[in-house]
Amino acid sequence: QQQVKQSPQSLIVQKGGISIINCAYENTAFDYFPWYQQFPGKGPALLIAIRPDVSEKKEGRFTISFNKSAKQFSLHIMDSQPGDSATYFCAASYSGGYQKVTFGTGTKLQVIP
Amino acid sequence: EPEVTQTPSHQVTQMGQEVILRCVPISNHLYFYWYRQILGQKVEFLVSFYNNEISEKSEIFDDQFSVERPDGSNFTLKIRSTKLEDSAMYFCASGRDLEQPQHFGDGTRLSIL
Repeated sequence: QQQVKQSPQSLIVQKGGISIINCAYENTAFDYFPWYQQFPGKGPALLIAIRPDVSEKKEGRFTISFNKSAKQFSLHIMDSQPGDSATYFCAASYSGGYQKVTFGTGTKLQVIP
Repeated sequence: EPEVTQTPSHQVTQMGQEVILRCVPISNHLYFYWYRQILGQKVEFLVSFYNNEISEKSEIFDDQFSVERPDGSNFTLKIRSTKLEDSAMYFCASGRDLEQPQHFGDGTRLSIL
C-alpha cells in the first residue's frame, strides 16, 4: 500500500516533443506529491510538486496533472529539450509520516535532437 | 542557494568493517533523512530524524544501522558491520518543516568489497 507505481521505465522523445510520465498510488494518506529529477552522479532534485486539493500545477514547461479519485498523477514536459535528459521520479509523502518520501521506480528520459 | 553536503563522495570498505557516512544539512532545517539507492533501482527511505531522535525507520534500517547528530551541523549514518548488499548510493536529505520539500545531497557511493 506504500508503493508508488511509475511508467514507463524509459522514454525517448524528439526535441520539441511532449514527455509524459505516469504514476499511481494506493495510500490515500499521501498528501504531497513531488517529482524529482536526477542527473547521473547527482542526488534527486525537486522539480515540481502538488497537493491533492489541486488538479493541475504548471511551472514553466513542466505540468503536473492530478486525479484524486483515480489516485493517479502525471508529469508533462512540454517542448522537451536535450538538457531534460535525466531520470525522473514521482514520489509521495504524508505529513503524519514525518514526510518520508516514497519514490516511484523512475523513468529514464532521453531527448534526442 | 544553500545545499546539503555529503562526504565522502565515494567510500570503499571491506566487508565486515564499520563505515560512517557524513552529511551537513541545510542550517535552518529541523528534519533529517537518509535514503539509499541500489544501482539502477529506486530511492528507498531508511530513516527520519527529528528533535534528536529517530522518528521513523524502514525495515532496511536494522540493528546494524545507526544515526547521530553529534553537533549542531553534522548528521551521520553508521553501518556497524557492512555486508556486500550494503553497496549503494546513500543520500542525506533535510527539510525545514513538514510543509516544505526535502533537499537532497549528491550522495555517497558506498562500495563493499
